Amino acid sequence: QVQLVQSGAEVKKPGASVKVSCKVSGYTLTELSMHWVRQAPGKGLEWMGGFDPEDGETIYAQKFQGRVTMTEDTSTDTAYMELSSLRSEDTAVYYCATGLLSRANWFDPWGQGTLVTVSS
Amino acid sequence: EIVMTQSPATLSVSPGERATLSCRASQSVSSNLAWYQQKPGQAPRLLIYGASTRATGIPARFSGSGSGTEFTLTISSLQSEDFAVYYCQQYNNWPPEGTFGQGTKVEIK
Repeated sequence: QVQLVQSGAEVKKPGASVKVSCKVSGYTLTELSMHWVRQAPGKGLEWMGGFDPEDGETIYAQKFQGRVTMTEDTSTDTAYMELSSLRSEDTAVYYCATGLLSRANWFDPWGQGTLVTVSS
Repeated sequence: EIVMTQSPATLSVSPGERATLSCRASQSVSSNLAWYQQKPGQAPRLLIYGASTRATGIPARFSGSGSGTEFTLTISSLQSEDFAVYYCQQYNNWPPEGTFGQGTKVEIK
């Protein structure tokens, strides 16, 4: 079964960048479709982007385009999400979540989450 | 972009009672709908996919129904561990921007 383990909490200043990792075990990254979802304090779930298995590319939500980069290291089965030009509104828990190699995709399982705090 | 709307925002239920949560899509998503449970400080957990199929290990008191634009999650007899926030997610349309509903909090009455 798939397990996802994320990197630890981060505190960043406005304008900085953060890179969160998500280590996959039980499967290889090439067998999965990796996505990133964030949750601001007390708020709902927001999809940020993920792997499109039909064209083999990563797609980003319009809101984050230009600021987010999602990459994968298949040699270590680790996915990364880097968010730049951080602002206070980016304070949130960031989750990696996997799905099938299909666009029609629910998310299961999820990583445990990484709290990113943006504060001066 | 499909908009997912959940109701009510908060549901107050006594232990042992039935809870009925609703999720509406702004256009048809066929049966491509999932439900998740999230407890404080935890990641979401998949409960239901395909609108009505329970995920592995999910108790039978959780059931999902509906298709098209109207969906329901029913918890037949609430246990203490079921008090949580529940989210629906459509996966019929790509890309999945705005894929989640805003959540329904099930609290103890």
